[in-house]
Order: sequence, then C-alpha cells, then structure tokens
Amino acid sequence: EAGVTQSPTHLIKTRGQQATLRCSPISGHTSVYWYQQALGLGLQFLLWYDEGEERNRGNFPPRFSGRQFPNYSSELNVNALELEDSALYLCASNGGEVRQFFGPGTRLTVL
Amino acid sequence: TQLLEQSPQFLSIQEGENLTVYCNSSSVFSSLQWYRQEPGEGPVLLVTVVTGGEVKKLKRLTFQFGDARKDSSLHITAAQTGDTGLYLCAGARSGTSYGKLTFGQGTILTVHP
Repeated sequence: EAGVTQSPTHLIKTRGQQATLRCSPISGHTSVYWYQQALGLGLQFLLWYDEGEERNRGNFPPRFSGRQFPNYSSELNVNALELEDSALYLCASNGGEVRQFFGPGTRLTVL
Repeated sequence: TQLLEQSPQFLSIQEGENLTVYCNSSSVFSSLQWYRQEPGEGPVLLVTVVTGGEVKKLKRLTFQFGDARKDSSLHITAAQTGDTGLYLCAGARSGTSYGKLTFGQGTILTVHP
C-alpha cells in the first residue's frame, strides 16, 4: 500500500512569490492535514480537510490557504512568501481514526 | 501558545543508558500519541494512549499517560544508537478541536556508541 506522497521534495522561492505544495493521501483516507515544521522541531497545525471541506484551521494568516480535490488529494498555497515561511511542510492523512500517517514533507526555502 | 510542553529539548547519552522524555500540559486530551521522526522523513507513530493511567510497552520503550490525561512520559531502557531521532508527543482533543493534533516542540535524542 502506497503511503502519503508529497511534491515537490524541495521548493525554492523568493520573497513575495507564491508557493503551491501538493499531497496525495493514502488510498481510502478522506482527511488531509497540513503542518509546518520549522527548525526541525515541533509541528504547527495549519489546516484540516475532510471530504472536500475545510474542517479546522490553525493560527496562521489568510495567505496560507488550500483545498481538497474530489480524489482527496490536497494543495497548500502560500501567497506573498516571507522569509519566516521557510520550513518543512508536512501532510498527513487518516480515515477517521486518531492516528495520522505522514508524508516525507516539502522543504520550502524562501530567499 | 504552546499547549504541550516537552522536555528536555535535547538529550545526548551513551549507548546502554536509560532516559525519560516528558510531555506536560494544563489541558486534558482525549488521547496522546508519540511519534518518532528521522531526518528527511515524516513522523512515524510509535504509540497511542487513551486511558488515564495507561501504560504501554513497545520492546525497550515504555509509555505512560497521566491519570488526569494531561501529561505523558516516554522511557527508553538501554538506549541504542538506532534510537537516535526526534521524538514528538501529540495530543488529540474532542469537540471543535477534533481532527487537530497539538504537538510538543520535540526532543532531539542522540545516542552515542
């Protein structure tokens, strides 16, 4: 069974640009979660999508947005990039249980 | 606001030593999970504890959930170099916060041969 996949692996942008990160959940999972992990430490919750709807949102500005497609894959968009947006962005999925299965992440670098 | 305080943040020990990582909160969680993350990879679930006072063992790892479901600990016996990594605790809550995991800031464990 394929795990959660994320693309791209690495992304380099400059300040003010927009970034789009993609996530494909495990087959059968309807929920997708996005987290930001800075400095290789704790994860900050960004967004939760389930059945195509945004269910919960973390304490991030509106320039962080996303969507979930009918096939349950998801996109995270970050507009007007700032230097402090540089981080590892992790996507996770589950199918209703508490346990979340994580992808390998997208490393975003803002120059 | 960091709702889950994890300590210590860094831990450097010799192979064969024991260690304990703590995860504390003033909030009650419906369940608490421990993850391990290696460089370049996403976190991988080690265990989920759901009942106050619960103790779970996974080989040399022992996990405990506090009676009030506000804190947890991870104890590793006779650490090995393969235990090196980032350990994260994460709490799940019911109600409007359902689906959202709150993570501690992590403990970077380095086990030296």
